[in-house]
Amino acid sequence: GQNIDQPTEMTATEGAIVQINCTYQTSGFNGLFWYQQHAGEAPTFLSYNVLDGLEEKGRFSSFLSRSKGYSYLLLKELQMKDSASYLCAVYVRGGADGLTFGKGTHLIIQP
Amino acid sequence: GAVVSQHPSRVICKSGTSVKIECRSLDFQATTMFWYRQFPKQSLMLMATSNEGSKATYEQGVEKDKFLINHASLTLSTLTVTSAHPEDSSFYICSARNPGTGDSSPLHFGNGTRLTVT
Repeated sequence: GQNIDQPTEMTATEGAIVQINCTYQTSGFNGLFWYQQHAGEAPTFLSYNVLDGLEEKGRFSSFLSRSKGYSYLLLKELQMKDSASYLCAVYVRGGADGLTFGKGTHLIIQP
Repeated sequence: GAVVSQHPSRVICKSGTSVKIECRSLDFQATTMFWYRQFPKQSLMLMATSNEGSKATYEQGVEKDKFLINHASLTLSTLTVTSAHPEDSSFYICSARNPGTGDSSPLHFGNGTRLTVT
C-alpha cells in the first residue's frame, strides 16, 4: 500500500524560514509533488522532484532522498500569505491518477 | 492563468435533489480527468477517473450510481451527485494532466465546488 506522513500543523514567524517534512512508503515511486492549498481553494502546484537533491524555485525549495523515502519543502522569507496547507503527493506509475496525497501540513504564519 | 475550470464554485441544495458539477480543460485536450473529494482537514481522496468515450473508473467504496460521471468531449467532464444527502456535503475538485507536457507532469486542479446539502 501507499503511506505518506507529514506533520499536521506548524507555526512560524513572518520573515523566518520553515521546513515541512514528508516521509513516504510506496511501491513504484516515480516522483514527488508539493502543492499549496489555501482554505476553500484548490491545490496549486509548487514543485516536483524525481531525482535526489534540492530543487530551488524562488523562496521555495524542495528536497528529495529516494533511499530514505524522505522529502522536505523549505520556505524562506515567510510572508503572511504563505499561511496555507502544504500537501505532499507521491507519483506512483500505474496508479489511476498516479498521485497519493498526504493529509497536508497546515502552516500558520505569525507576525 | 487557470488551465482547468470548474463550475459552480458553491452550491446549496436540498436533500434528495441532484447537482451537476462541470470541469473543463481550457488549454489542452484531456482524455482523462480526475474527480476528488475533500472533507475538512482531510486529504484529497480520488473518487473516480473520467475517461473520454468510455465508462468512468471508480475507486473502491465510491457508488457509481450515486456519482454519475460523463466525459462528453475532450475538454469537458461532469460529475452529478444524485439524490444528495447531508453526508455528501464536501469540497469536490476536478483535475487533469496536460498530456503534451510529459508523463509525470503535475495535475492541474479546478477551483473546486463547495457542496452543501440541507
